[in-house]
Amino acid sequence: TQLLEQSPQFLSIQEGENLTVYCNSSSVFSSLQWYRQEPGEGPVLLVTVVTGGEVKKLKRLTFQFGDARKDSSLHITAAQPGDTGLYLCAGVGGGTSYGKLTFGQGTILTVHP
Amino acid sequence: NAGVTQTPKFQVLKTGQSMTLQCAQDMNHNSMYWYRQDPGMGLRLIYYSASEGTTDKGEVPNGYNVSRLNKREFSLRLESAAPSQTSVYFCASSEALHSPVLYTEAFFGQGTRLTVV
Repeated sequence: TQLLEQSPQFLSIQEGENLTVYCNSSSVFSSLQWYRQEPGEGPVLLVTVVTGGEVKKLKRLTFQFGDARKDSSLHITAAQPGDTGLYLCAGVGGGTSYGKLTFGQGTILTVHP
Repeated sequence: NAGVTQTPKFQVLKTGQSMTLQCAQDMNHNSMYWYRQDPGMGLRLIYYSASEGTTDKGEVPNGYNVSRLNKREFSLRLESAAPSQTSVYFCASSEALHSPVLYTEAFFGQGTRLTVV
């Protein structure tokens, strides 16, 4: 079973602070994705990372895929109240797990004005 | 485009009752998924269908059955509902592509809030 561990589970910070969320697994995934979920809605994709060591930037968000393709991080610079939400990492399976999309337990981020 | 449509949005069941959650996507995606979401547990995969005609168990399949009716539709059935199945259920679909590049964004429905009393 491919499992993803996210940390921290809860994060409460002030506007303007920086933060990092981690996603770790003992398994290798074909690619890894980060989603954001608002209350009452389904998750929405932020980014997909595919290559070990890959770094992608989305405005103030920086995503990194570990060299061994087992872990990833999401770094937010100068957080804003609009960043508040549930952040989920998801591993995309290959081989015998082709098409399988496994999620971590999520990080609830609250940014206070 | 409607994307992924789930019905119903809300449901209350008595213990032991059965019901089917319906899901349809209009994006011609190959893969479809059913997840449940409980507080502090993220999204847990119940069943998935990598392509039409195939279904596989996820992390928490016990108490559920699925049917991939055609490429568009993937239903989830609770044969005998239990209070432990109280949750928010999400259906999703994606265009899972083969290697060398797996870029498979999952699109989610709005969710079904199920309460079993």
